[in-house]
Amino acid sequence: DTAVSQTPKYLVTQMGNDKSIKCEQNLGHDTMYWYKQDSKKFLKIMFSYNNKELIINETVPNRFSPKSPDKAHLNLHINSLELGDSAVYFCASSQGGRGSPLHFGNGTRLTVT
Amino acid sequence: QQQVKQSPQSLIVQKGGISIINCAYENTAFDYFPWYQQFPGKGPALLIAIRPDVSEKKEGRFTISFNKSAKQFSLHIMDSQPGDSATYFCAARGENFVFGPGTRLSVLP
Repeated sequence: DTAVSQTPKYLVTQMGNDKSIKCEQNLGHDTMYWYKQDSKKFLKIMFSYNNKELIINETVPNRFSPKSPDKAHLNLHINSLELGDSAVYFCASSQGGRGSPLHFGNGTRLTVT
Repeated sequence: QQQVKQSPQSLIVQKGGISIINCAYENTAFDYFPWYQQFPGKGPALLIAIRPDVSEKKEGRFTISFNKSAKQFSLHIMDSQPGDSATYFCAARGENFVFGPGTRLSVLP
């Protein structure tokens, strides 16, 4: 029943490691996103994919690489993790067209030690 | 131009009171203004939204007031309940969504 699901919910890892976060949506939406929420709760867009094509790539280090195998999935791979990458990462989806709301997953809390 | 400003940063209201959160924007290309509610450990969830051709929208205890000329919009929560305690984000959509910094609402029993 979950509309936007992401795994894992928690991810604790050491600096320098590579990790991935997976996201799937069953809403039939054509656009998916990754957002980063920092410790002050500020939500910032990282990437947006529309029908498997990257359409937004904000100022994000190239250690972050999104992958969209199909329009229901958008995964986030992070290389060489740094302490500053610690945050909550949210996947979201929307139906194309202005005026369509975002639907968020429940987030992945990444802690880099 | 892409910013959405939001105030207050935090708000404490007694049960039964009215909670008011204000947002302002600059970009006149924004054409959709949602409010999201986020509980700890959860993702933001759409609460209510408005388009700029409407000055007010009400859904239950939640009302958005929209002032297009002032480029401001606000969320009013009537009869606030302890279960409303959460972080609220206003947002605006142009080419993509831009979020305000959030308001942490605490409703005291």
